[in-house]
Amino acid sequence: DTAVSQTPKYLVTQMGNDKSIKCEQNLGHDTMYWYKQDSKKFLKIMFSYNNKELIINETVPNRFSPKSPDKAHLNLHINSLELGDSAVYFCASSRVGNAADTQYFGPGTRLTVL
Amino acid sequence: AQSVTQLGSHVSVSEGALVLLRCNYSSSVPPYLFWYVQYPNQGLQLLLKYTTGATLVKGINGFEAEFKKSETSFHLTKPSAHMSDAAEYFCAAGGFGNEKLTFGTGTRLTIIP
Repeated sequence: DTAVSQTPKYLVTQMGNDKSIKCEQNLGHDTMYWYKQDSKKFLKIMFSYNNKELIINETVPNRFSPKSPDKAHLNLHINSLELGDSAVYFCASSRVGNAADTQYFGPGTRLTVL
Repeated sequence: AQSVTQLGSHVSVSEGALVLLRCNYSSSVPPYLFWYVQYPNQGLQLLLKYTTGATLVKGINGFEAEFKKSETSFHLTKPSAHMSDAAEYFCAAGGFGNEKLTFGTGTRLTIIP
């Protein structure tokens, strides 16, 4: 069983479109995250949710909107996609969300904006 | 601002040789420290972490790391490299007054047959 799963694995779309990436974890964790990994492999946190509540909201354009329908799911919706949004997006989860927790990562979604 | 620095974006070692990947952090308060590995086209996987207690931490696949407060370092080592160790390695630190992790820029490890 996959612990943290993401769909789709690949996403190719045109500038200006709106797209969503879904994430689910079956670990029973309380906290979920979205990270962006750029072409140089630099990994930066975007959002964190604990029990469906937003905890971390980095300086991300408001075109990015996370949604957590329940604590096992954290989706990422992106409006008006831009070329610079091309990256690999990783979902992760941790048991309680403190800084000492191990984070478990999904396989990533490679977004390409043309 | 807190930061994590990984010296060497690319490291190449021969199969069977010592692996040493360097990580330094900047913080006046010892943070929680992690090493994650990313294999091609996969997500990150925890190798090991230091939170409290023993400063020499052993992880999976024969890797270990030592927290040295005086040097603000958490270098990753493995005595004998294997071809399967070829991957991207990320050092990360947390506990800087918030709950997020700060990642280093990664080190790509190549193993020479």
